[in-house]
Amino acid sequence: SQQGEEDPQALSIQEGENATMNCSYKTSINNLQWYRQNSGRGLVHLILIRSNEREKHSGRLRVTLDTSKKSSSLLITASRAADTASYFCSTTEAAGNKLTFGGGTRVLVKP
Amino acid sequence: EAQVTQNPRYLITVTGKKLTVTCSQNMNHEYMSWYRQDPGLGLRQIYYSMNVEVTDKGDVPEGYKVSRKEKRNFPLILESPSPNQTSLYFCASSLLTPDGQPQHFGDGTRLSIL
Repeated sequence: SQQGEEDPQALSIQEGENATMNCSYKTSINNLQWYRQNSGRGLVHLILIRSNEREKHSGRLRVTLDTSKKSSSLLITASRAADTASYFCSTTEAAGNKLTFGGGTRVLVKP
Repeated sequence: EAQVTQNPRYLITVTGKKLTVTCSQNMNHEYMSWYRQDPGLGLRQIYYSMNVEVTDKGDVPEGYKVSRKEKRNFPLILESPSPNQTSLYFCASSLLTPDGQPQHFGDGTRLSIL
């Protein structure tokens, strides 16, 4: 079973709008990561948030983490056509060595 | 340039014909892993390696083998490929254990088993 589950599965927005996607996970974690995948390419690391952090920013990205609800959200502000991609959350169980990815959210940013 | 290199990028082959997908990283990373990506199922981990001569099963190891004889290389071996192994495969590496470490991914290998 997947540790992380993203919601929604797909999202279509206009350029300039914000895109929000959520990730839920099942077990205790030390940190959570978000990745981007352009069509058919390898995943690229975006941001890591630790379990003792509630919010983190990187450029136009804002990530939140709620360990009590076992969920995280990724917000992309002022989206651009180049943000069109699939976004995945990833976790390892606390003290674990296995990495688990969710099913991803496909984001389409229309110019 | 720091990178993870997979070969081949594309392969069409037939059931039962042994194949190897190579993965090499030039970052002196200890942790390496293989994933397969299928529509609707996301990425699933096949095998991972914490260091040379240390490998362990991921979530979907059946039908696959790996080896880690050198730190930089982590080949994925399909001894007797079957059509249900048709998929997009990714190799990834990180400096240490993945807990808290960004993963560096290769560009993927698209395998078609007929």
